[in-house]
Amino acid sequence: AAGVIQSPRHLIKEKRETATLKCYPIPRHDTVYWYQQGPGQDPQFLISFYEKMQSDKGSIPDRFSAQQFSDYHSELNMSSLELGDSALYFCASSLAPQVAGELFFGEGSRLTVL
Amino acid sequence: AQSVTQPDIHITVSEGASLELRCNYSYGATPYLFWYVQSPGQGLQLLLKYFSGDTLVQGIKGFEAEFKRSQSSFNLRKPSVHWSDAAEYFCAVGALIKAAGNKLTFGGGTRVLVKP
Repeated sequence: AAGVIQSPRHLIKEKRETATLKCYPIPRHDTVYWYQQGPGQDPQFLISFYEKMQSDKGSIPDRFSAQQFSDYHSELNMSSLELGDSALYFCASSLAPQVAGELFFGEGSRLTVL
Repeated sequence: AQSVTQPDIHITVSEGASLELRCNYSYGATPYLFWYVQSPGQGLQLLLKYFSGDTLVQGIKGFEAEFKRSQSSFNLRKPSVHWSDAAEYFCAVGALIKAAGNKLTFGGGTRVLVKP
């Protein structure tokens, strides 16, 4: 079965550079979530989109932005990268509206900022 | 606001022994509860979930969890641990975001080490 696809899987950037992560949800899933997991940390919710509109916002820095496109894929744009942005970034997708819907996670994109 | 606490940061267990991972949640309404497993450098895999009904939930890989409303707990158990169960385990509680699905709040995780 098709899963959530994230690209790139690994990314190395310098401080103050920009990075873009992509997420392709499971077919027919219309909701996408972004999570950030720092080293030894639990995943922290950043932002979510439903039907191409932002549906909720968590602890996403102002330097980050995201959007969901007409084909439901999503991109997370990160600018002015800082060392603390080094983390594993997960994308998840689900069907909505659906009470207590299950989230399906991708394998993550590991960003290293040098 | 919802929150999840996993009291044990690390647990070491011998192969073949039983395992129990604790999870306590705080949520104002009926919680939707999940357990995920993460192997090193890998993504999050759903082990099991509780939405309603039977409070004892069976999952994959021989795991089960019991929802106890009176204790606000959702502990994960496995009767006999295999070396491949060494991983980090996350408990999560879900909240409905308006009409747009289910945001998860994760606990801090419990790292399980399996001794031969």
